[in-house]
Amino acid sequence: AQSVTQPDIHITVSEGASLELRCNYSYGATPYLFWYVQSPGQGLQLLLKYFSGDTLVQGIKGFEAEFKRSQSSFNLRKPSVHWSDAAEYFCAVGEGSNYKLTFGKGTLLTVNP
Amino acid sequence: DAEITQSPRHKITETGRQVTLACHQTWNHNNMFWYRQDLGHGLRLIHYSYGVHDTNKGEVSDGYSVSRSNTEDLPLTLESAASSQTSVYFCASSGLYAYEQYFGPGTRLTVT
Repeated sequence: AQSVTQPDIHITVSEGASLELRCNYSYGATPYLFWYVQSPGQGLQLLLKYFSGDTLVQGIKGFEAEFKRSQSSFNLRKPSVHWSDAAEYFCAVGEGSNYKLTFGKGTLLTVNP
Repeated sequence: DAEITQSPRHKITETGRQVTLACHQTWNHNNMFWYRQDLGHGLRLIHYSYGVHDTNKGEVSDGYSVSRSNTEDLPLTLESAASSQTSVYFCASSGLYAYEQYFGPGTRLTVT
């Protein structure tokens, strides 16, 4: 069975600093990969996705992620964090042909002024 | 604009009662999903549907049921609510790009 690991439960960064959130997956074939963001009391919003092609994908709100097959990773990055980026971030992987997503347990991002 | 809505947003119920959570989407998506979100567990799949009259069990389906009578709605029923089912429940749907799921705002359910 596939799995998704987000090694960092909680990350704190200062506003304006760069950000990298880690995601590792376990899956045999080429996965479909996603990052979602959840603000407090809200549903999940899709930030970006990787299906195939260019391994560096751009998303909304200035986020990007890079797919590295050799490392089974899909890390999320942002060059300069804004206070409004404080939220919980979930990595997810698509499974086979049944359209299901498996989610990591999330990384909570705190942004200090 | 197309959207996915959930109702109620908050619900308190007693142990043993039957509870139904509503999910309605106007995307005209074929695929719909129910998840529960608990601290330390992330999101776990309860049930999902690929179309009208189709339903499938997810990883944590015990104590839950769904039915799909039309494209727009996938209600989630807790047959006999238990305290372990206190959680936040999210509905999601996907269409042409089947893995790309769009989420509703969630329902916070408390079972006392």
